[in-house]
Amino acid sequence: GAVVSQHPSWVICKSGTSVKIECRSLDFQATTMFWYRQFPKQSLMLMATSNEGSKATYEQGVEKDKFLINHASLTLSTLTVTSAHPEDSSFYICSARNQLAGVSEQFFGPGTRLTVL
Amino acid sequence: AQSVAQPEDQVNVAEGNPLTVKCTYSVSGNPYLFWYVQYPNRGLQFLLKYITGDNLVKGSYGFEAEFNKSQTSFHLKKPSALVSDSALYFCAVRDYDYKLSFGAGTTVTVRA
Repeated sequence: GAVVSQHPSWVICKSGTSVKIECRSLDFQATTMFWYRQFPKQSLMLMATSNEGSKATYEQGVEKDKFLINHASLTLSTLTVTSAHPEDSSFYICSARNQLAGVSEQFFGPGTRLTVL
Repeated sequence: AQSVAQPEDQVNVAEGNPLTVKCTYSVSGNPYLFWYVQYPNRGLQFLLKYITGDNLVKGSYGFEAEFNKSQTSFHLKKPSALVSDSALYFCAVRDYDYKLSFGAGTTVTVRA
């Protein structure tokens, strides 16, 4: 139980295009999902908290218009990188909070490698 | 603000030897502490957590961690390391709103 998937696992796009990344909780409902960004050999940096049915809350320094987050259902959150540029290339990881798992654990997706040319 | 620190970028041990990955924390109130492992190009896998109770926490894959309040530490340990334990390890602390703050990570290399 408590499986989180991400799609796609990797994507290469041209500069200026938009890319959508999906995060799904497969066997539980997640009212809250989190989006992280990880640069090579570095730690995970929280970008935003995605709340089902409401607007996402972004961490300081994260551009809301650049990284659009939608959490339309209890099992799906999407991150859209708009007008992507090479500096947006990174590993994006989502996690979903399972409120039924005792102390509301977070379960992580496998990540999406974005490369912007 | 809650934070954790991992003082070592890298840890190298021989297979069969004990493995320790260090983590110290800074929190206001009771700490909710976690250890995760990450293999190349993969997401994070949960190893163990400390919420309350026994200071020695046992987790997945033979790992354990010792919570030490006086030293504000939560070191990850394994009595006998395997080559397959080579990976990137993260310590994390959970905030009241369930946000996780991660340490910088420690790369563990276990040589055969």
